[in-house]
Amino acid sequence: EVQLVESGGDLVQPGGSLRLSCAASGFTFSNYWMHWVRQAPGKGLVWVSRINSDGGSTSYADSVKGRFTISRDNAKNTLYLQMNSLRAEDTAVYYCVRRIVGATPYYFDYWGQGTLVTVSS
Amino acid sequence: DIQMTQSPSSLSASVGDRVTITCRASQSISNYLNWCQQRPGKAPKLLIYAASNLQSGVPSRFSGSGSGTDFTLTISSLQPEDFATYYCQQSYNTPWTFGQGTKVEIK
Repeated sequence: EVQLVESGGDLVQPGGSLRLSCAASGFTFSNYWMHWVRQAPGKGLVWVSRINSDGGSTSYADSVKGRFTISRDNAKNTLYLQMNSLRAEDTAVYYCVRRIVGATPYYFDYWGQGTLVTVSS
Repeated sequence: DIQMTQSPSSLSASVGDRVTITCRASQSISNYLNWCQQRPGKAPKLLIYAASNLQSGVPSRFSGSGSGTDFTLTISSLQPEDFATYYCQQSYNTPWTFGQGTKVEIK
């Protein structure tokens, strides 16, 4: 069974840092591109970042570029999101999401349960 | 970025009703359109991929159609467990973008 379990969410002050983790199981993690998607309280879904299967290619939303870093450890089956210079508008539930492998069109086939990041003084 | 616009933003319906949600892209996205369902307090769940393909395990009362810029999600006979928020999402270009959501409520 595919499982994606996020952790690391917390209350942090503006300007602070946090590292989110996503532990993957039930599939060959190193074969898949992975993404982070966030959802502010009461709002819609917003794509944040993605990383390719070997970690050599990354992409970010403009709103987090230069502040967030996505990475992965395929030996530990874990995805990370390092979040620096946090702002109130980064407050959200952060979801770890798997993208299918194979031919296009691509899509997200599995989502984690999410971890809440609250940025407030 | 490709803008995705859903309509309506919310709707009230009764069990057994046929429900249709539309999604429009700001440019052509071929069939790179996916639909997901989010129940309150839960993670999103994939329903439809590539515009019209039903994800494994999803009930057949859900269906999707469309291509280019205009897409629809149809629930043929609304069930109690279908009251949720539905999002369309394009995977044609990075950043992958979502519609604002359509909340389906009980009438």
